[in-house]
Amino acid sequence: GAGVSQTPSNKVTEKGKYVELRCDPISGHTALYWYRQSLGQGPEFLIYFQGTGAADDSGLPNDRFFAVRPEGSVSTLKIQRTERGDSAVYLCASSSPGRGPTDTQYFGPGTRLTVL
Amino acid sequence: SQQGEEDPQALSIQEGENATMNCSYKTSINNLQWYRQNSGRGLVHLILIRSNEREKHSGRLRVTLDTSKKSSSLLITASRAADTASYFCAYGRSNYQLIWGAGTKLIIKP
Repeated sequence: GAGVSQTPSNKVTEKGKYVELRCDPISGHTALYWYRQSLGQGPEFLIYFQGTGAADDSGLPNDRFFAVRPEGSVSTLKIQRTERGDSAVYLCASSSPGRGPTDTQYFGPGTRLTVL
Repeated sequence: SQQGEEDPQALSIQEGENATMNCSYKTSINNLQWYRQNSGRGLVHLILIRSNEREKHSGRLRVTLDTSKKSSSLLITASRAADTASYFCAYGRSNYQLIWGAGTKLIIKP
């Protein structure tokens, strides 16, 4: 079956612009996560959804970042008034708590965001 | 911010040798996981060890966990060129949130 997909794979934008990053999780996975990974670093947790609701958004760096998952499947990470420091690879992962290896997260290939 | 630390930051060995990477953490955990990331590709889950386990094997991988020292190690035996990648430990304080280390960059020389 298909894995986690993310679009676009690359996004170049100018400082101050608005961007949306999309994640399509594995079908049937109820949990969805967004991470940010800077060069040479491990992923940094941003937000976690269980179904349609954000169960934990404590990792969002500030109110310019927002994420939605209106139907409990596809999620969109939205960044307003982008800054150069937002440049990173944004990773999405999904998992299915309570079934099999409950804590395994399956990652998408990421969206590389560059803010000029 | 990162709360896990991995050691070494980089490791270069000859094909066929064993590679050992270490991970330390600071809080109590529910489980600890190891992931691999090849250049330009996504993260791939390798192995998960729960806090009540001390050792786990998967193929050429062996993971140990010492909760008293808040540390874990990943051993890759009989390394291959295809093992060249960055390896990350990630530990969970709950069933979903993972805290990640900065990774160990492993290079296998042919």
